[in-house]
Amino acid sequence: IQLTQSPSLLSASVGDRVTITCRASQGINSSLAWYQRKPGKAPNLLIFPASTVQTGVPSRFSGSGSGREFTLTINSLQPEDFATYFCQQLNSYPITFGQGTRLEIK
Amino acid sequence: QVQLQQWGAGLLKPSETLSLTCTVYGGSFSDNDWNWIRQPPGKGLEWIGEINHNGSTNSNPSLKSRLTVSVDTSKNQFSLKLRSVTAADTAVYYCARRKKGSPFDCWSQGSLVTVSS
Repeated sequence: IQLTQSPSLLSASVGDRVTITCRASQGINSSLAWYQRKPGKAPNLLIFPASTVQTGVPSRFSGSGSGREFTLTINSLQPEDFATYFCQQLNSYPITFGQGTRLEIK
Repeated sequence: QVQLQQWGAGLLKPSETLSLTCTVYGGSFSDNDWNWIRQPPGKGLEWIGEINHNGSTNSNPSLKSRLTVSVDTSKNQFSLKLRSVTAADTAVYYCARRKKGSPFDCWSQGSLVTVSS
Protein backbone atom coordinates (compact mmCIF):
# COMPACT_ATOMS: atom_id res chain seq x y z
CA ILE A 1 0.00 0.00 0.00
CA GLN A 2 1.53 3.31 -1.08
CA LEU A 3 1.11 6.38 1.07
CA THR A 4 1.29 9.77 -0.64
CA GLN A 5 1.93 12.58 1.75
CA SER A 6 1.51 16.24 0.92
CA PRO A 7 2.95 18.74 0.96
CA SER A 8 6.55 17.61 1.20
CA LEU A 9 7.55 21.04 2.53
CA LEU A 10 5.37 23.39 4.51
CA SER A 11 6.37 26.88 5.63
CA ALA A 12 4.39 28.40 8.46
CA SER A 13 4.65 30.83 11.36
CA VAL A 14 4.22 30.41 15.08
CA GLY A 15 0.51 30.54 15.82
CA ASP A 16 -0.58 29.24 12.41
CA ARG A 17 -2.82 26.27 11.81
CA VAL A 18 -1.43 23.71 9.38
CA THR A 19 -2.76 20.56 7.77
CA ILE A 20 -0.83 17.65 6.29
CA THR A 21 -2.52 15.05 4.12
CA CYS A 22 -1.76 11.35 3.69
CA ARG A 23 -3.51 9.39 0.92
CA ALA A 24 -3.41 5.61 0.72
CA SER A 25 -3.44 3.71 -2.56
CA GLN A 26 -6.16 1.50 -1.14
CA GLY A 27 -8.42 1.53 1.88
CA ILE A 28 -6.73 1.01 5.23
CA ASN A 29 -9.69 1.56 7.57
CA SER A 30 -8.34 3.74 10.39
CA SER A 31 -5.03 1.95 10.69
CA LEU A 32 -2.89 5.04 10.19
CA ALA A 33 -0.30 6.55 12.51
CA TRP A 34 1.35 9.96 12.52
CA TYR A 35 4.83 10.60 13.86
CA GLN A 36 6.97 13.65 14.52
CA ARG A 37 10.70 13.50 14.01
CA LYS A 38 13.37 16.01 14.94
CA PRO A 39 16.99 15.91 13.76
CA GLY A 40 19.08 13.42 15.67
CA LYS A 41 16.12 12.09 17.64
CA ALA A 42 13.95 9.02 17.37
CA PRO A 43 10.46 9.49 15.89
CA ASN A 44 7.71 10.29 18.35
CA LEU A 45 4.28 8.70 17.90
CA LEU A 46 1.57 11.36 17.85
CA ILE A 47 -1.63 9.74 16.68
CA PHE A 48 -2.99 6.20 16.26
CA PRO A 49 -5.41 5.10 15.03
CA ALA A 50 -6.19 7.87 12.63
CA SER A 51 -7.84 10.25 15.09
CA THR A 52 -6.62 9.14 18.52
CA VAL A 53 -4.01 11.44 20.00
CA GLN A 54 -1.50 9.56 22.13
CA THR A 55 -1.14 10.28 25.81
CA GLY A 56 1.17 13.18 26.45
CA VAL A 57 0.81 14.72 23.00
CA PRO A 58 -0.40 18.34 23.14
CA SER A 59 -4.05 18.88 22.31
CA ARG A 60 -3.17 21.19 19.41
CA PHE A 61 -2.42 18.02 17.42
CA SER A 62 -5.38 16.23 15.87
CA GLY A 63 -5.96 13.62 13.21
CA SER A 64 -8.90 12.68 11.05
CA GLY A 65 -9.89 10.42 8.20
CA SER A 66 -10.53 6.81 7.39
CA GLY A 67 -10.33 4.62 4.34
CA ARG A 68 -7.91 6.30 1.97
CA GLU A 69 -7.57 9.93 3.04
CA PHE A 70 -6.20 11.22 6.32
CA THR A 71 -5.12 14.54 7.74
CA LEU A 72 -2.91 15.73 10.56
CA THR A 73 -3.75 19.19 11.85
CA ILE A 74 -1.67 21.28 14.18
CA ASN A 75 -3.44 24.26 15.68
CA SER A 76 -1.57 27.29 16.94
CA LEU A 77 1.92 26.17 15.95
CA GLN A 78 4.55 26.36 18.66
CA PRO A 79 8.31 26.72 18.08
CA GLU A 80 8.89 23.11 19.11
CA ASP A 81 6.51 21.86 16.40
CA PHE A 82 8.87 22.67 13.55
CA ALA A 83 9.98 19.19 12.57
CA THR A 84 9.30 16.46 10.03
CA TYR A 85 6.00 14.59 10.12
CA PHE A 86 5.26 11.27 8.49
CA CYS A 87 2.38 8.85 8.25
CA GLN A 88 2.44 5.06 8.46
CA GLN A 89 -0.13 2.42 7.59
CA LEU A 90 -0.50 -0.72 9.67
CA ASN A 91 -3.52 -2.23 7.95
CA SER A 92 -1.54 -4.83 6.04
CA TYR A 93 1.97 -6.05 5.40
CA PRO A 94 4.32 -4.69 4.34
CA ILE A 95 4.05 -1.75 6.69
CA THR A 96 4.60 1.41 4.68
CA PHE A 97 5.34 5.06 5.34
CA GLY A 98 4.63 8.36 3.70
CA GLN A 99 7.58 10.31 2.32
CA GLY A 100 7.37 12.90 5.09
CA THR A 101 6.50 16.58 5.40
CA ARG A 102 9.10 19.03 6.61
CA LEU A 103 7.46 21.84 8.54
CA GLU A 104 9.71 24.87 8.58
CA ILE A 105 9.49 28.33 10.04
CA LYS A 106 8.42 30.94 7.50
CA GLN B 1 11.98 3.51 30.50
CA VAL B 2 12.53 1.32 27.48
CA GLN B 3 15.69 1.82 25.46
CA LEU B 4 16.79 0.18 22.25
CA GLN B 5 20.49 0.17 21.52
CA GLN B 6 21.83 -1.10 18.25
CA TRP B 7 25.26 -1.83 16.93
CA GLY B 8 26.95 -3.25 13.89
CA ALA B 9 29.39 -2.43 11.15
CA GLY B 10 28.95 0.98 9.58
CA LEU B 11 30.92 0.48 6.39
CA LEU B 12 30.55 -2.46 4.06
CA LYS B 13 31.73 -3.38 0.59
CA PRO B 14 29.31 -4.50 -2.11
CA SER B 15 28.36 -8.20 -1.82
CA GLU B 16 29.08 -8.31 1.92
CA THR B 17 26.51 -9.05 4.61
CA LEU B 18 25.03 -6.27 6.69
CA SER B 19 24.69 -7.34 10.30
CA LEU B 20 23.00 -5.34 13.07
CA THR B 21 21.90 -6.27 16.58
CA CYS B 22 19.48 -4.41 18.80
CA THR B 23 19.41 -4.86 22.58
CA VAL B 24 16.25 -4.02 24.50
CA TYR B 25 16.64 -2.49 27.93
CA GLY B 26 13.51 -2.35 30.07
CA GLY B 27 9.95 -3.36 29.37
CA SER B 28 8.69 -6.75 28.32
CA PHE B 29 10.52 -8.53 25.54
CA SER B 30 7.87 -11.19 25.06
CA ASP B 31 4.86 -8.86 24.79
CA ASN B 32 6.12 -7.00 21.75
CA ASP B 33 7.18 -7.39 18.16
CA TRP B 34 10.63 -6.18 17.21
CA ASN B 35 11.20 -4.35 13.98
CA TRP B 36 13.86 -3.09 11.62
CA ILE B 37 13.34 0.02 9.52
CA ARG B 38 15.70 1.97 7.27
CA GLN B 39 15.92 5.32 5.57
CA PRO B 40 18.19 5.79 2.55
CA PRO B 41 19.67 9.27 2.11
CA GLY B 42 17.08 11.66 0.74
CA LYS B 43 14.33 9.03 0.73
CA GLY B 44 11.48 7.94 2.95
CA LEU B 45 11.37 5.26 5.60
CA GLU B 46 11.23 1.63 4.53
CA TRP B 47 10.04 -1.16 6.80
CA ILE B 48 12.39 -4.13 6.65
CA GLY B 49 10.84 -6.77 8.84
CA GLU B 50 9.84 -7.87 12.33
CA ILE B 51 10.14 -10.78 14.73
CA ASN B 52 8.49 -11.79 17.98
CA HIS B 53 9.94 -13.62 20.96
CA ASN B 54 8.94 -16.97 19.46
CA GLY B 55 10.92 -16.28 16.32
CA SER B 56 7.90 -15.73 14.10
CA THR B 57 8.74 -13.20 11.39
CA ASN B 58 7.20 -10.92 8.80
CA SER B 59 9.33 -9.21 6.22
CA ASN B 60 9.19 -6.82 3.32
CA PRO B 61 8.87 -8.80 0.08
CA SER B 62 11.35 -6.45 -1.56
CA LEU B 63 14.09 -7.66 0.81
CA LYS B 64 12.88 -11.10 1.83
CA SER B 65 15.25 -13.09 -0.37
CA ARG B 66 18.31 -11.47 1.26
CA LEU B 67 17.00 -11.06 4.78
CA THR B 68 17.33 -12.95 8.03
CA VAL B 69 15.84 -11.61 11.24
CA SER B 70 16.56 -13.57 14.41
CA VAL B 71 15.97 -13.26 18.13
CA ASP B 72 17.87 -14.18 21.30
CA THR B 73 15.42 -13.95 24.17
CA SER B 74 18.09 -14.83 26.74
CA LYS B 75 19.82 -11.54 25.93
CA ASN B 76 16.75 -9.47 24.99
CA GLN B 77 18.28 -9.00 21.56
CA PHE B 78 17.17 -9.28 17.98
CA SER B 79 19.29 -9.13 14.88
CA LEU B 80 19.21 -8.29 11.21
CA LYS B 81 21.31 -9.83 8.46
CA LEU B 82 21.04 -8.56 4.91
CA ARG B 83 23.10 -10.45 2.38
CA SER B 84 24.73 -9.31 -0.85
CA VAL B 85 24.46 -5.60 -0.13
CA THR B 86 24.80 -2.92 -2.78
CA ALA B 87 25.01 0.85 -2.66
CA ALA B 88 21.20 0.89 -2.63
CA ASP B 89 21.33 -0.57 0.87
CA THR B 90 23.12 2.51 2.20
CA ALA B 91 20.78 3.93 4.80
CA VAL B 92 20.22 4.83 8.40
CA TYR B 93 18.94 1.67 10.05
CA TYR B 94 16.64 1.71 13.06
CA CYS B 95 15.27 -0.92 15.39
CA ALA B 96 11.87 -0.35 16.95
CA ARG B 97 9.25 -1.90 19.17
CA ARG B 98 5.53 -2.35 18.65
CA LYS B 99 2.68 -4.49 19.84
CA LYS B 100 0.89 -6.51 17.18
CA GLY B 101 -1.34 -4.23 15.15
CA SER B 102 0.02 -1.10 16.77
CA PRO B 103 2.57 1.46 15.59
CA PHE B 104 6.13 1.77 16.78
CA ASP B 105 6.25 3.28 20.23
CA CYS B 106 9.97 3.10 20.84
CA TRP B 107 12.83 3.53 18.36
CA SER B 108 16.58 3.35 18.54
CA GLN B 109 18.64 6.37 17.61
CA GLY B 110 19.57 4.71 14.34
CA SER B 111 22.91 3.99 12.74
CA LEU B 112 24.25 4.79 9.32
CA VAL B 113 25.38 1.87 7.24
CA THR B 114 27.29 2.78 4.11
CA VAL B 115 27.99 0.37 1.27
CA SER B 116 30.90 1.48 -0.84
CA SER B 117 33.76 -0.12 -2.68
